Amino acid sequence: NAGVTQTPKFRILKIGQSMTLQCAQDMNHNYMYWYRQDPGMGLKLIYYSVGAGITDKGEVPNGYNVSRSTTEDFPLRLELAAPSQTSVYFCASSAGTASGANVLTFGAGSRLTVL
Amino acid sequence: AQRVTQPEKLLSVFKGAPVELKCNYSYSGSPELFWYVQYSRQRLQLLLRHISRESIKGFTADLNKGETSFHLKKPFAQEEDSAMYYCALKVGGTASKLTFGTGTRLQVTL
Repeated sequence: NAGVTQTPKFRILKIGQSMTLQCAQDMNHNYMYWYRQDPGMGLKLIYYSVGAGITDKGEVPNGYNVSRSTTEDFPLRLELAAPSQTSVYFCASSAGTASGANVLTFGAGSRLTVL
Repeated sequence: AQRVTQPEKLLSVFKGAPVELKCNYSYSGSPELFWYVQYSRQRLQLLLRHISRESIKGFTADLNKGETSFHLKKPFAQEEDSAMYYCALKVGGTASKLTFGTGTRLQVTL
């Protein structure tokens, strides 16, 4: 079981470029999340999804887009990269069952630098 | 709006000493609180949650609604406890949307 897989691990972008951070989970979890973590700060929720075809904004959604066409995949798109989006991005998932509810499984993180 | 405060960026203790990592929260609803941990070169993972009322790796945490706190405690620190610890609060709704604190690095020295 791979759990939650994020790619790429590292990326440097120029201002105005676009890119997609990929996230895939193989645990058949209904819920998926994207967080960002700036240096010295806590994780902040960007977007989340409660199932295929359903996404919603978190605390800091501006400058990002997501889609959830399958249960497994939850890509995060940056359309016009800005220096303020330099951060470490974490994808996570959780089951909808009572025993697994609210227990997030995290990916290894993707470090993005925008210059 | 909800908020989680971890006042210490770094907590350094000697092996065998007691540990208390502080966490305070503000939330108007009924809180669900968690401690997540990130060991060196590992992923962020759940340590414990208040509804389980369990002890994991010797750590416990009690929700104190009067003081709006969820401090993490361990009576005797071990070297392997050295890690980054994050307190998190679940806000309302079906999805597990968590608000995280800024984290406390625990350093256990000999």
